[in-house]
Amino acid sequence: GENVEQHPSTLSVQEGDSAVIKCTYSDSASNYFPWYKQELGKRPQLIIDIRSNVGEKKDQRIAVTLNKTAKHFSLHITETQPEDSAVYFCAAMDSGGSNYKLTFGKGTLLTVNP
Amino acid sequence: NAGVTQTPKFRVLKTGQSMTLLCAQDMNHEYMYWYRQDPGMGLRLIHYSVGEGTTAKGEVPDGYNVSRLKKQNFLLGLESAAPSQTSVYFCASSYKRNGELFFGEGSRLTVL
Repeated sequence: GENVEQHPSTLSVQEGDSAVIKCTYSDSASNYFPWYKQELGKRPQLIIDIRSNVGEKKDQRIAVTLNKTAKHFSLHITETQPEDSAVYFCAAMDSGGSNYKLTFGKGTLLTVNP
Repeated sequence: NAGVTQTPKFRVLKTGQSMTLLCAQDMNHEYMYWYRQDPGMGLRLIHYSVGEGTTAKGEVPDGYNVSRLKKQNFLLGLESAAPSQTSVYFCASSYKRNGELFFGEGSRLTVL
């Protein structure tokens, strides 16, 4: 089955700095890579996703890059703000065949210091 | 639209007791999932369903059973609770296999 490794487990940055979270996956057939944000005590929510036919996707201050050859993908947050403080989860899925399982990384606790 | 609703939100059980968590969604989604979240372990899939009347095992299915008798509801059962099942449980639904997961608010279960 798929295995997703996520680093770092904790990340502390100053407001206005950039933050980068990296994930690697094991199944070369995986082709869908979402990122979820979970604020303290809240439910996870999708913030961005990327599919294997593109290498990069941006949405305002958030971007995700994908390197299929190396089997890794990253989340980039620019101009961080205190409200970006949360746990971020990457995930990977092979959406072909009979697979319906999304495998999550263990999460990164991002703290943005004012 | 309420989205995904889980009940109960909190529950304390004694070892050996049984209980059922209910997940209801009003978005007409085909796919529904039960995850558990433990500190430092991320979200791990317990069971899932790809449509009414179907269920399948995820990563950590032991000790749990599920049923999807109606499209909008997905039930998670613990027949004989163990302390290792102390966790926060999240239900989620999606409209397609590789689509956005919509999560419920979570149910915090403590087994003493």
